[in-house]
Amino acid sequence: GQSLEQPSEVTAVEGAIVQINCTYQTSGFYGLSWYQQHDGGAPTFLSYNALDGLEETGRFSSFLSRSDSYGYLLLQELQMKDSASYFCAAVNYGGSQGNLIFGKGTKLSVKP
Amino acid sequence: EPEVTQTPSHQVTQMGQEVILRCVPISNHLYFYWYRQILGQKVEFLVSFYNNEISEKSEIFDDQFSVERPDGSNFTLKIRSTKLEDSAMYFCASSFRGGTYEQYFGPGTRLTVT
Repeated sequence: GQSLEQPSEVTAVEGAIVQINCTYQTSGFYGLSWYQQHDGGAPTFLSYNALDGLEETGRFSSFLSRSDSYGYLLLQELQMKDSASYFCAAVNYGGSQGNLIFGKGTKLSVKP
Repeated sequence: EPEVTQTPSHQVTQMGQEVILRCVPISNHLYFYWYRQILGQKVEFLVSFYNNEISEKSEIFDDQFSVERPDGSNFTLKIRSTKLEDSAMYFCASSFRGGTYEQYFGPGTRLTVT
């Protein structure tokens, strides 16, 4: 089967750094995306890794290791507004177009 | 900034009834998707659509589901005979390129089947 594993909850304080890990097992793996979802909201795109290594976008960075089937999202200088659920999603080529296979999400709580 | 829109925001229906969920993707996007999220659970892929036909579908997308692009702007998901377990948030998404990592999600339609 296809699955992505990530921690269910993480708590951190404002200004801190937090890393959310994701391990995956999928066929037709093409890359790893990260999405943020606030309560009651839609998933919004954060980052994507097609190649091994680190991608940096402002306070957020994402890492991928294909050989280890592992990636992580790194959030720096945490702010209260970062409290949300974070999903890793494998970009999966089961056919001609590709689709996203989501993990179960990590609920991040940022405390003052 | 362009965005994906969905209507209605909340739909309540009785078991066995048909529902149509509507989406207007971003205008220059060519690839369209439906996902669902049961309350408190992960987002699940249902179907992808390109060039007026289904590209891929998941095991969830059985014969009771269908999608259509009836005109140049709308993208619909029809559930023919709703079941209690169809209660979920349904998200439409679109992207400019196929297989792209960056999909833009609409705000969702919360479907409640009673």
